[in-house]
Amino acid sequence: NAGVTQTPKFRVLKTGQSMTLLCAQDMNHEYMYWYRQDPGMGLRLIHYSVGEGTTAKGEVPDGYNVSRLKKQNFLLGLESAAPSQTSVYFCASSYGPVYEQYFGPGTRLTVT
Amino acid sequence: GENVEQHPSTLSVQEGDSAVIKCTYSDSASNYFPWYKQELGKRPQLIIDIRSNVGEKKDQRIAVTLNKTAKHFSLHITETQPEDSAVYFCAASIGANFGNEKLTFGTGTRLTIIP
Repeated sequence: NAGVTQTPKFRVLKTGQSMTLLCAQDMNHEYMYWYRQDPGMGLRLIHYSVGEGTTAKGEVPDGYNVSRLKKQNFLLGLESAAPSQTSVYFCASSYGPVYEQYFGPGTRLTVT
Repeated sequence: GENVEQHPSTLSVQEGDSAVIKCTYSDSASNYFPWYKQELGKRPQLIIDIRSNVGEKKDQRIAVTLNKTAKHFSLHITETQPEDSAVYFCAASIGANFGNEKLTFGTGTRLTIIP
């Protein structure tokens, strides 16, 4: 039982490049989330999904896209990376919106 | 939009003393209030949560209190130990009245336990 996993763990991008972050969970959770964590800003919700095939915008969605083609996977895409997207990205999953969220180990992304 | 304010941003206490972190929220429909602990370089993990039908919940050395009238809730850690050093995040559920309920997090408190 791996819980929530994320790949990659680290990535460096040049401005304008694209990439996809993969999140996988093996707990059969309906809800999945992508957050970014910046110093002094806490955890800010980028996008989330309430079930396979659904996605919704969070607090800071601009510059990101997501897809939930399979229940266990939630992908976060950056189409044209910007230095402002330098951050630590956490994926999480939960049984429902008011239940414990289980976080992945995080991805540290640097955009130069 | 609905938000959660958390204070203080940093807190240092002597080992063995108590620590208190406070949060306020704005959504009157909020009904779920979890607290997460994040050790350096690790992922956030739930340590305790409380729902709006309860005023206080305790788990060994940690407790959470909720005042729905004043829209604030607090984390209390007693008999602090070095392993309590971490960043603590409060959160509150928002959007229950709009069918898109989710959590919004506070900005975190860095707790340092001084040996």
